[in-house]
Amino acid sequence: KNEVEQSPQNLTAQEGEFITINCSYSVGISALHWLQQHPGGGIVSLFMLSSGKKKHGRLIATINIQEKHSSLHITASHPRDSAVYICAVKGYGSGGGADGLTFGKGTHLIIQP
Amino acid sequence: GAGVSQSPSNKVTEKGKDVELRCDPISGHTALYWYRQRLGQGLEFLIYFQGNSAPDKSGLPSDRFSAERTGESVSTLTIQRTQQEDSAVYLCASTEGFHYEQYFGPGTRLTVT
Repeated sequence: KNEVEQSPQNLTAQEGEFITINCSYSVGISALHWLQQHPGGGIVSLFMLSSGKKKHGRLIATINIQEKHSSLHITASHPRDSAVYICAVKGYGSGGGADGLTFGKGTHLIIQP
Repeated sequence: GAGVSQSPSNKVTEKGKDVELRCDPISGHTALYWYRQRLGQGLEFLIYFQGNSAPDKSGLPSDRFSAERTGESVSTLTIQRTQQEDSAVYLCASTEGFHYEQYFGPGTRLTVT
């Protein structure tokens, strides 16, 4: 079973700061997801990546397969970015739970104006 | 187009009763997942459906839990003889296939009293 660790667990920053959230996992994966969960529970998929780097607006996600590590960066952070950010990894699929995502516990981010 | 929908949005039930939760995936999505999120905890994988293949039930926590899906349409998650520890938000996600990003429904908040 893959162990997914996120850091930090909680992060409070000022508006405009550059934010980095880290995720490490223990077993090779086919893909890694970054998800955003707002108060009220709705979950939105931000990125799915298996190598390299992806960018969407002010969000950047990177993954290093050899080091089993991914980072999510937020540039020019804004109070509306306040949410829980969840890293989730996917195995290679053959049943036994590998078909589903294994989730980190999430990073609670608060951006203060 | 329409996203993933779930019903009911909230369900309060007495311990020992059976409950049925429903998920309507995005049309054309062949894969469907059920997850559970207990208060203060990360998400847990429950079950995965892919087309007409046998589902991956490895995440179901006990034999009181079961799920069905007819073809590539609606799925129902049934919890028999509910216990207080079943209280959680139950989330459904659908995807075009194994290697595609997952789209999450809003969840059903189950409270067992």
